[in-house]
Amino acid sequence: GENVEQHPSTLSVQEGDSAVIKCTYSDSASNYFPWYKQELGKRPQLIIDIRSNVGEKKDQRIAVTLNKTAKHFSLHITETQPEDSAVYFCALDSSASKIIFGSGTRLSIRP
Amino acid sequence: EPEVTQTPSHQVTQMGQEVILRCVPISNHLYFYWYRQILGQKVEFLVSFYNNEISEKSEIFDDQFSVERPDGSNFTLKIRSTKLEDSAMYFCASRIDRSTDTQYFGPGTRLTVL
Repeated sequence: GENVEQHPSTLSVQEGDSAVIKCTYSDSASNYFPWYKQELGKRPQLIIDIRSNVGEKKDQRIAVTLNKTAKHFSLHITETQPEDSAVYFCALDSSASKIIFGSGTRLSIRP
Repeated sequence: EPEVTQTPSHQVTQMGQEVILRCVPISNHLYFYWYRQILGQKVEFLVSFYNNEISEKSEIFDDQFSVERPDGSNFTLKIRSTKLEDSAMYFCASRIDRSTDTQYFGPGTRLTVL
């Protein structure tokens, strides 16, 4: 079945530096890769997504890259700010009937 | 902007009791989902629902779980006899149709089983 591995589990970066979170998956049929940000006690919030026919997508300080051949995708946050502190989940949807989440990365921004 | 809503925000129950978690998906959406998140862990898929029937369910969704769309607006998750390990945050989500990938999540119901 579908599975997605996410690394690292925790990440601490200095404010203003960049943060990178990486995910790998096994099902080559996966074609939709969303990223979610979750603050404590809140719902997962979609921050960016990418589809399999695109290699890179950017939205202001957030970018996602996808390598379908290697089956990995990454989230890049530049110029990090304190409000970027949260848990980030990569995910995939291959069958259009469910989203499979990664295990999450707890990102902390040091002032 | 329309949102998925869920009630209650927090439900406390005794082990063995039945609970019903309620969701109101976005009005023109056709696909509905329930997910579960145990404290400190990842979000896990439970079940998807389309055209008044279950499309797919996970191993977690055993005979103790059921879903229903009793009317044109509500989508419910019932746990027949709750166990301690059912304590988690339960999120409902909806998607407009098959041509769109984005699922919109509700705020969640925190279920505590004592």
